[in-house]
Amino acid sequence: GQQVMQIPQYQHVQEGEDFTTYCNSSTTLSNIQWYKQRPGGHPVFLIQLVKSGEVKKQKRLTFQFGEAKKNSSLHITATQTTDVGTYFCAGVDDNAGNMLTFGGGTRLMVKP
Amino acid sequence: EPEVTQTPSHQVTQMGQEVILRCVPISNHLYFYWYRQILGQKVEFLVSFYNNEISEKSEIFDDQFSVERPDGSNFTLKIRSTKLEDSAMYFCASKKDRVTDTQYFGPGTRLTVL
Repeated sequence: GQQVMQIPQYQHVQEGEDFTTYCNSSTTLSNIQWYKQRPGGHPVFLIQLVKSGEVKKQKRLTFQFGEAKKNSSLHITATQTTDVGTYFCAGVDDNAGNMLTFGGGTRLMVKP
Repeated sequence: EPEVTQTPSHQVTQMGQEVILRCVPISNHLYFYWYRQILGQKVEFLVSFYNNEISEKSEIFDDQFSVERPDGSNFTLKIRSTKLEDSAMYFCASKKDRVTDTQYFGPGTRLTVL
């Protein structure tokens, strides 16, 4: 079945440094979504990417969808302590309806 | 802002017992989902529900699981005979319509099976 992998699993950064998490799918995706989960909280939808090569920005967050629609990245510029949490990508397989398969997440810790 | 609500926040049960987890999706939403997250692990899709029927389900969602929308506001997940490995956080989510991207997650129910 479809697998979605994320790296790194953990990332410690100093406040102000940049952060990137990478997501790779074993199959071609029809779309990819990104979620943020604060410690003890629930996933909060951030964005969906649909088109090959798509790039979307939300303030300090930049999301990319690969040309082959099998990988994606989330980049945070100048991290803040409020960015702390686990970032999950979740993909919809091109051939598997609308079922979301989540990656393992990247836990971001920011030192003030 | 409207929210998805879930009750109870924490459920403790004995192995073999039945549990019902309850969710109230956002009122004008049409698509409903259940996910689970074992402590420290990734979120796993269980089932999606639209127009009063299951539209998709994962391998996890076996015969022990069922979902229902009994009264137009609640959306329930029933586990018929709980196992130790069912211990997890269960999240309900809802989406407004087919073209909207955003799924709104509830706060979750932590299920502990002893």
